[in-house]
Amino acid sequence: DAKTTQPPSMDCAEGRAANLPCNHSTISGNEYVYWYRQIHSQGPQYIIHGLKNNETNEMASLIITEDRKSSTLILPHATLRDTAVYYCIVSLKNYGGATNKLIFGTGTLLAVQP
Amino acid sequence: ETGVTQTPRHLVMGMTNKKSLKCEQHLGHNAMYWYKQSAKKPLELMFVYSLEERVENNSVPSRFSPECPNSSHLFLHLHTLQPEDSALYLCASGPGLNYEQYFGPGTRLTVT
Repeated sequence: DAKTTQPPSMDCAEGRAANLPCNHSTISGNEYVYWYRQIHSQGPQYIIHGLKNNETNEMASLIITEDRKSSTLILPHATLRDTAVYYCIVSLKNYGGATNKLIFGTGTLLAVQP
Repeated sequence: ETGVTQTPRHLVMGMTNKKSLKCEQHLGHNAMYWYKQSAKKPLELMFVYSLEERVENNSVPSRFSPECPNSSHLFLHLHTLQPEDSALYLCASGPGLNYEQYFGPGTRLTVT
């Protein structure tokens, strides 16, 4: 199973871009990279996912390196409400049935400063 | 609002009690999940249901008993719990393979 490595914490100034790195050097060819975040004492929130191409949605952008061994989540204009733990997850292969198994690590605590 | 609701939001129970946690999703998803999040620990996957059939039981003690009567509802029945079972219990649902999961707000459980 592929694992991910993230810095335990990062700071970002309000209004600036937040760039959260993730290493997943053992990712295999059909495994996706997912990003979730969890604001204190709430359920995790899906942000974005990708396989090999860069992806963008209304919340963030995901940049995956060509060798797929690392990725960066970009929040273009961070606000105080973006303060949360951000999880980078590599999905396991389908083990049967219509399910997607996610293994959460300890993530990166992003603190957006005013 | 993610379309996944959980009740109750807070629960305090004694070690001899029996209680149930309820999860409901209004998203038409096929898969539902129970996770446990203890203080200062990562989320742990407990159970996975696909099309109402259990496909994963992650070495969870038998004092936790899941039930999925239909694709919209998921229960976690609790009996003779221990204080170390105190945690945030999260339910999630997803549309299928390699799709995102949508989490409910969780039930904060305290076992006394």
